Amino acid sequence: GQQVMQIPQYQHVQEGEDFTTYCNSSTTLSNIQWYKQRPGGHPVFLIQLVKSGEVKKQKRLTFQFGEAKKNSSLHITATQTTDVGTYFCAGRSGNSGYALNFGKGTSLLVTP
Amino acid sequence: DVKVTQSSRYLVKRTGEKVFLECVQDMDHENMFWYRQDPGLGLRLIYFSYDVKMKEKGDIPEGYSVSREKKERFSLILESASTNQTSMYLCASRIGTSPHEQYFGPGTRLTVT
Repeated sequence: GQQVMQIPQYQHVQEGEDFTTYCNSSTTLSNIQWYKQRPGGHPVFLIQLVKSGEVKKQKRLTFQFGEAKKNSSLHITATQTTDVGTYFCAGRSGNSGYALNFGKGTSLLVTP
Repeated sequence: DVKVTQSSRYLVKRTGEKVFLECVQDMDHENMFWYRQDPGLGLRLIYFSYDVKMKEKGDIPEGYSVSREKKERFSLILESASTNQTSMYLCASRIGTSPHEQYFGPGTRLTVT
C-alpha cells in the first residue's frame, strides 16, 4: 500500500532546543494529520492539513504541508519536557479509501 | 468528549487460545479501526469497518478477524493466538470519512505465552 515515511526515528534534545520531524509520501496526499502519543498513552490528534503549502501553528508547534502535497513537517520551537512523546504523521491519498497510512513515528526525548 | 473504550488494558493468553478484544465508542461514529503497535514499526492497520457488518482488510489481517454487529462496537478476534501476536492493540473511531480526526482507545497490551 501507500508508504508514508517518517524521519528521524528518534531525537534526543536538550530542553530549549528546537525539534523537527519530517514525513514523506510516495504518492500525493489529500490530507495529512499529526498525532502525539505520550509514553504509556495512546495517540491523540494534533492537527490536520489539507491545502498545498498550508502552514498552521499551535503555540510552539508549526506544521507544514508541502506544495506538492507529498511531504509534511512538524517543528517545535524551544522544546519543553512536556513535549516528550512519539509524533506520528498519517496521510490519505485520494484512492486509498477510508484508512489513513501512519508513519512509524518520531520519538522525542527532552532532557532538562 | 468522544470516548473510545477497550475491554482490557492488559491481557495474558496462551498459544492456541481464541482471543476477543472489544472496542466501544459512544459518539455514533461510522468508522472504526484496529491497529497493532510494535516498537520500531509504528501503527499498523489490521482491519477497519465503515459501517455495521462491513469490514475491510488493512495491511496485516492474517491471523485476525473482526466483527461489527452494532455501530458502537468493533471486536477483534484472534482465532488461534500465537506468540508473534504479542503486541499493543489500539482501537480507533472516526466520524464519516476523511478528513476527520481519529479517536483512539487506551490500548490493550496482549501477551501470548
